[in-house]
Amino acid sequence: GQQVMQIPQYQHVQEGEDFTTYCNSSTTLSNIQWYKQRPGGHPVFLIQLVKSGEVKKQKRLTFQFGEAKKNSSLHITATQTTDVGTYFCAGRIDTNAGKSTFGDGTTLTVKP
Amino acid sequence: DAGVIQSPRHEVTEMGQEVTLRCKPISGHNSLFWYRQTMMRGLELLIYFNNNVPIDDSGMPEDRFSAKMPNASFSTLKIQPSEPRDSAVYFCASSIRQGSAGELFFGEGSRLTVL
Repeated sequence: GQQVMQIPQYQHVQEGEDFTTYCNSSTTLSNIQWYKQRPGGHPVFLIQLVKSGEVKKQKRLTFQFGEAKKNSSLHITATQTTDVGTYFCAGRIDTNAGKSTFGDGTTLTVKP
Repeated sequence: DAGVIQSPRHEVTEMGQEVTLRCKPISGHNSLFWYRQTMMRGLELLIYFNNNVPIDDSGMPEDRFSAKMPNASFSTLKIQPSEPRDSAVYFCASSIRQGSAGELFFGEGSRLTVL
């Protein structure tokens, strides 16, 4: 079945450092979504990427979708303590009748 | 506007008991999803509905699990009989668009502990 791999599993950074998480799919995706889950909370939608090579920015967050639509990344510039949480990618393939597969997530901790 | 509403927020029960989790999606959303989250297995899709019709239940672990959506504003996930390995956080999510074409709005989850 479809697999979506995410690395790293954990990342510890000093406040102000950059952070990147990567998402890789075994199959071509029709779209990819990113979610953030704070400790004890629920996943919250961040963004959706649809086009090959697409790049979107939200303040300090930069999202990319690979040219082959099999990989994606989320980069945070100058992390803050409010960035703490687990970041999930969720990939959807056309033949999968609308079902997305979530990666295992990257848990970010930020040391002030 | 109210988000996805789940109940109960916490449930502690004994092995063998029946558990019913409830979800009210956002009004106007066409798709509803049930996820289970554990440390070991991450976020797993159990089942999803489009327009109240179950589309894919391949993630339902076994016959002990069942889900219904009798109308557009209510869904239940039932576990009977429950087992300790069912302990997890169960999330309900809804989307205005079919399947995962649009963003998912998650409820706050139901934390289930089976002793």
